[in-house]
Amino acid sequence: DVQLVESGGGLVQPGGSLRLSCAASGFTFSGHWMHWVRQAPGEGLVWVARIDKGGRTTNYADSVKGRFTISRDNAKNTLYLQMSSLRVEDTAVYYCARDYYYNQADYWGQGTLVTVSS
Amino acid sequence: QSALTQPRSVSGSPGQSVTMSCTGTSSDIGTSNYISWYQQHPGRAPKLMISDVNKRPSGVPDRFSGSKSGNTASLTISGLQAEDEADYYCCSCAGSYPFVLFGGGTKLTVL
Repeated sequence: DVQLVESGGGLVQPGGSLRLSCAASGFTFSGHWMHWVRQAPGEGLVWVARIDKGGRTTNYADSVKGRFTISRDNAKNTLYLQMSSLRVEDTAVYYCARDYYYNQADYWGQGTLVTVSS
Repeated sequence: QSALTQPRSVSGSPGQSVTMSCTGTSSDIGTSNYISWYQQHPGRAPKLMISDVNKRPSGVPDRFSGSKSGNTASLTISGLQAEDEADYYCCSCAGSYPFVLFGGGTKLTVL
């Protein structure tokens, strides 16, 4: 079965950094683009970033560009999101998701909560 | 780019049908064949219910169907069941930025 398990969330002060991980299993990780999507408390889904199969092409939402970095280690079947210069408005549950086709996500992890607060 | 527009809530009784809309523009829904719908129960991860406008992934009941007309996509759930009560998000996906554009979500209440 396809499994995506996020980790690394927690409480961080504004301006701080955090690295999220997403461990993938049950499928050929290197055969899929991957995404990060976030959801602020009580709010809707917002796309954050995506990365191609080989980790060479990345794209970001304007709201995180220059502050977040998506990467992957295909040998470890793991997706990452390095977040820096964190803001209060970055507080959200962060989901990793597998790209099924043309940026549509068919499997999602359970999410990890990031809280940015002083 | 603004999120796609979805009604905040819809409701229906068990056994009835409901249709929820997702309105965008000619720059997103109007020109995309990659419209997807996600179901999210409270505290749970989103689940893909419809992809490519009207395709159901394996395991999704055929009570769920998707369509598109112009700049509006729609999700119809027939034979409503209690377990269908959830939030539903539409998504317009494209090969150019913003790549993935979600709607604000519709809360479905089964009366």
